[in-house]
Amino acid sequence: GESVGLHLPTLSVQEGDNSIINCAYSNSASDYFIWYKQESGKGPQFIIDIRSNMDKRQGQRVTVLLNKTVKHLSLQIAATQPGDSAVYFCAESKAAGNKLTFGGGTRVLVKP
Amino acid sequence: DADVTQTPRNRITKTGKRIMLECSQTKGHDRMYWYRQDPGLGLRLIYYSFDVKDINKGEISDGYSVSRQAQAKFSLSLESAIPNQTALYFCATSVDWDETQYFGPGTRLLVL
Repeated sequence: GESVGLHLPTLSVQEGDNSIINCAYSNSASDYFIWYKQESGKGPQFIIDIRSNMDKRQGQRVTVLLNKTVKHLSLQIAATQPGDSAVYFCAESKAAGNKLTFGGGTRVLVKP
Repeated sequence: DADVTQTPRNRITKTGKRIMLECSQTKGHDRMYWYRQDPGLGLRLIYYSFDVKDINKGEISDGYSVSRQAQAKFSLSLESAIPNQTALYFCATSVDWDETQYFGPGTRLLVL
């Protein structure tokens, strides 16, 4: 069935290093992808999104890469900081439906 | 996001009780959503509403009902709470032409 999932449940990163969080999706009709960050005790917070007509999009310290051939999405965080410690979710949707399907989440732990 | 508020933030109830979780938003968005989050899992959609006259079931609507009292208010009810409804509940909003969803801080519900 349609699903969005993550390869790594927990990622430990040294402060200052780059982080890469991966996500696989199975619905080839999906055309919108989004990354959320959820800190403890808070709701998910939008980080960055990308549409299927793009393969890369950059924000402030974050880059999202989309490989439609293998249905793979990744989030890169440059110079990871302690404040980046959180659970990260990818989600996907089809434009007409506007319903997001979320993956299970990856916890990022930043070591000082 | 302070533009989306949820009440209560925490709630303990007993099996069989009826409870209501409320969501209010000042973002002026037409679309509102209720999600459930369980430990180690992503968010699952319970119900969503594209405007005041529109209510749609999500993937896990059984045991829940909703009411869209106004554009800014969307409440979730558990008619007869059961222990497996213990979870973290999130409300979200989006504009009708943009798929980014903005989440409230969540309500932690414990059903004994």
